Amino acid sequence: DTEVTQTPKHLVMGMTNKKSLKCEQHMGHRAMYWYKQKAKKPPELMFVYSYEKLSINESVPSRFSPECPNSSLLNLHLHALQPEDSALYLCASSPAGLRTEAFFGQGTRLTVV
Amino acid sequence: SQQGEEDPQALSIQEGENATMNCSYKTSINNLQWYRQNSGRGLVHLILIRSNEREKHSGRLRVTLDTSKKSSSLLITASRAADTASYFCATLATTDSWGKLQFGAGTQVVVTP
Repeated sequence: DTEVTQTPKHLVMGMTNKKSLKCEQHMGHRAMYWYKQKAKKPPELMFVYSYEKLSINESVPSRFSPECPNSSLLNLHLHALQPEDSALYLCASSPAGLRTEAFFGQGTRLTVV
Repeated sequence: SQQGEEDPQALSIQEGENATMNCSYKTSINNLQWYRQNSGRGLVHLILIRSNEREKHSGRLRVTLDTSKKSSSLLITASRAADTASYFCATLATTDSWGKLQFGAGTQVVVTP
């Protein structure tokens, strides 16, 4: 199984809502990532988890809260988002420390209204 | 943050033609990777070239790396309509410990039948 599965595929939420994005992989990868991608732009790194510990937070606003419950799951909790947070949110995983390729999920298309 | 530039920003070719796109980067790298993205969905890893390699092939793909010029090129030979996508280069810095990919701006390729 070489897939990274993200749910939901699409999400529309109001600025006062709380929602969560989910990501799952069963490749035994111990590094997992959240990226944000705006239209016609490259992905921008938000968070890196390594061995279930938050290793990098790229100065992301606190309305985005990541969580890594176990080595296969990665969540991104969303609260009080702004319309400018509308984007494609991509999860990825890779073998920690090996400097190899990353495997990406299909993304969640988030619209904040 | 974006690592560097890709050119061209957009490329339109006919089936059967070759497509070449270039990537420049700024830091010292461990490896450089190319990814494809269809219609704003997930990224698919295409090929990885390490800093001590100069050229690599995978099927119809040929990648070159010139570390003295901090640049790479991706050649797609005998293009097909299914190659229509955005292509991103991404680098892993030599100082990286977390698999933090730095993406280029991307090249949007359209292959017409």
